[in-house]
Amino acid sequence: GAVVSQHPSWVICKSGTSVKIECRSLDFQATTMFWYRQFPKQSLMLMATSNEGSKATYEQGVEKDKFLINHASLTLSTLTVTSAHPEDSSFYICSASVRGPNTEAFFGQGTRLTVV
Amino acid sequence: DAKTTQPNSMESNEEEPVHLPCNHSTISGTDYIHWYRQLPSQGPEYVIHGLTSNVNNRMASLAIAEDRKSSTLILHRATLRDAAVYYCILVYQAGTALIFGKGTTLSVSS
Repeated sequence: GAVVSQHPSWVICKSGTSVKIECRSLDFQATTMFWYRQFPKQSLMLMATSNEGSKATYEQGVEKDKFLINHASLTLSTLTVTSAHPEDSSFYICSASVRGPNTEAFFGQGTRLTVV
Repeated sequence: DAKTTQPNSMESNEEEPVHLPCNHSTISGTDYIHWYRQLPSQGPEYVIHGLTSNVNNRMASLAIAEDRKSSTLILHRATLRDAAVYYCILVYQAGTALIFGKGTTLSVSS
């Protein structure tokens, strides 16, 4: 099946620095990718929808200037956490689906971000 | 968004069948019923999906009620590797994100 690869799997950064997370669709073209955040013991929370060649759509309460999303190609979307703070520490997951509701969605393996 | 309701947790013994229920009383005629599971520290993994008829694949079976207001994910023989959080999600529109509820945490004992 299709594969979505996320990199890095984990990262530790200092407060105030920026971190970039990559999400690649390895064997299919993803015009739309999704970014989620998951805190411990909680479910996945949708942060934003990333469309190739256009601006991302952010969910209510998600700061677009803090979580920069770039979807420059059909196989790559990036999430940059800018000026990271300890409260941004979380598990970030990307997803892509191929065609619609009658097809499965594919998820990256997730990125564990720890801000110290 | 059409909503789903699942028990918070369930327990099973290894090699026994597991039936994970999901209620979706407000489902519309074009909503697909998807199931995903998430193992610890991993991204979610597709399990199965269906519209009206029961579905089988190598991982599980999906039984959909005739009125489509509920469904059941069936793991025929649970293994320790099946311990995960299982999410039942309704998908109704092309290109939209999956919205996750709290899911059911399945524990499997040997």
